[in-house]
Amino acid sequence: NAGVTQTPKFQVLKTGQSMTLQCAQDMNHEYMSWYRQDPGMGLRLIHYSVGAGITDQGEVPNGYNVSRSTTEDFPLRLLSAAPSQTSVYFCASSYGLGGGYEQYFGPGTRLTVT
Amino acid sequence: KQEVTQIPAALSVPEGENLVLNCSFTDSAIYNLQWFRQDPGKGLTSLLLIQSSQREQTSGRLNASLDKSSGRSTLYIAASQPGDSATYLCAVNWDNDMRFGAGTRLTVKP
Repeated sequence: NAGVTQTPKFQVLKTGQSMTLQCAQDMNHEYMSWYRQDPGMGLRLIHYSVGAGITDQGEVPNGYNVSRSTTEDFPLRLLSAAPSQTSVYFCASSYGLGGGYEQYFGPGTRLTVT
Repeated sequence: KQEVTQIPAALSVPEGENLVLNCSFTDSAIYNLQWFRQDPGKGLTSLLLIQSSQREQTSGRLNASLDKSSGRSTLYIAASQPGDSATYLCAVNWDNDMRFGAGTRLTVKP
């Protein structure tokens, strides 16, 4: 089991560029989510998905798009990067969010927008 | 609005001490609460998960308690070691809305 994997580990973008952060899990989890972590703040939910073909917005969705065509993959797209999107991005997965379902996190992608 | 607060923001203790980290949250209608550990530059590692119907969970030297009525959870670390140095994050789940506290940065001095 590789768990939750994220690529790339580091990325530098210029303002206005677009890119896709990749996330994959091999645990057959239905629930997947994206968070961003900024200094001095906790993680904030960007988008989440409760299964293939179903996505919804979290706390800070503006400037990001997601899609879920398979159970395994949940990419995050930055449409037009802005310096305010400089952050560390984490992908997570679990069987669900209620009850005793633990969330498993990937190692993160550190993004800098200049 | 659901919010999660962790106090203190930073804590430094000598090796061997028992310590308590605090987490408070608004709205007691939670699904579960999870404690994570994060080492510098790394991802999150799950430590303990407490379901809404539970009062506490234990794993080794760690014990987490949950009091929904007062909106509080504590993480107790017994006999702290330098290897426990990390940031500890509390996350509360409300119906597909998971909110994190800003964390407590723990330093255990040899």
